Amino acid sequence: QVQLQESGPGLVKPSETLSLTCTVSGGSINSHYWSWIRQPAGKGLEWIGRIYTSGSTNYNPSLKSRVTMSVDTSKNQFSLKLSSVTAADTAVYYCARSLDGWLFDYWGQGTLVTVSS
Amino acid sequence: QSALTQPASVSGSPGQSITISCAGTGYDVGAYNYVSWYQQHPGKAPKLIIYDVNNRPSGVSNRFSGSKSGNTASLTVSGLQAEDEATYYCSSYTTSSTQKFGGGTKLTVL
Repeated sequence: QVQLQESGPGLVKPSETLSLTCTVSGGSINSHYWSWIRQPAGKGLEWIGRIYTSGSTNYNPSLKSRVTMSVDTSKNQFSLKLSSVTAADTAVYYCARSLDGWLFDYWGQGTLVTVSS
Repeated sequence: QSALTQPASVSGSPGQSITISCAGTGYDVGAYNYVSWYQQHPGKAPKLIIYDVNNRPSGVSNRFSGSKSGNTASLTVSGLQAEDEATYYCSSYTTSSTQKFGGGTKLTVL
């Protein structure tokens, strides 16, 4: 059973960079797409972007200028960096496996990131 | 990119059926059969219940079914049960190799 676990700071200051890591266990990270998805409190899901284990990425156009994703296959981990954050970036951040590139079959439990000074 | 359009809420009595629509465009829902649906209970991560328009993952009740016509996909929940009360999200792959979600539909079982 594949399991995903997000980790990273729960509090980030405005204008700084949000950094999260997702650790994959119970299966190999190789030959799959991996996504980040976020959900502000009381609101819907927003796809942030995805990365293939080759390092190829696709990002949400609305966030593209601020997003960087990377993958470390030796550690079975992939990561998200979101720069120049504001209060609007406060949300629960989920990592998920994008099976075949377009459906999310395994999700992490989510981690709340608050942007505040 | 704009979200797919879902009704904010639907409701039904136990045993009844409900349908949730998900309207997109020819660049997402209408472009491919890559529409999926997710069920989210409060405080929990979303769960995949339908993929590729009308396929159910192993372990998902056959009371959940999906369909698509043109640029609009639909999720039907038949034989409503109390445990079905949750928020449901549709998602579609796009011609730009990105992903979109709908705004979510809260299902209330009366």
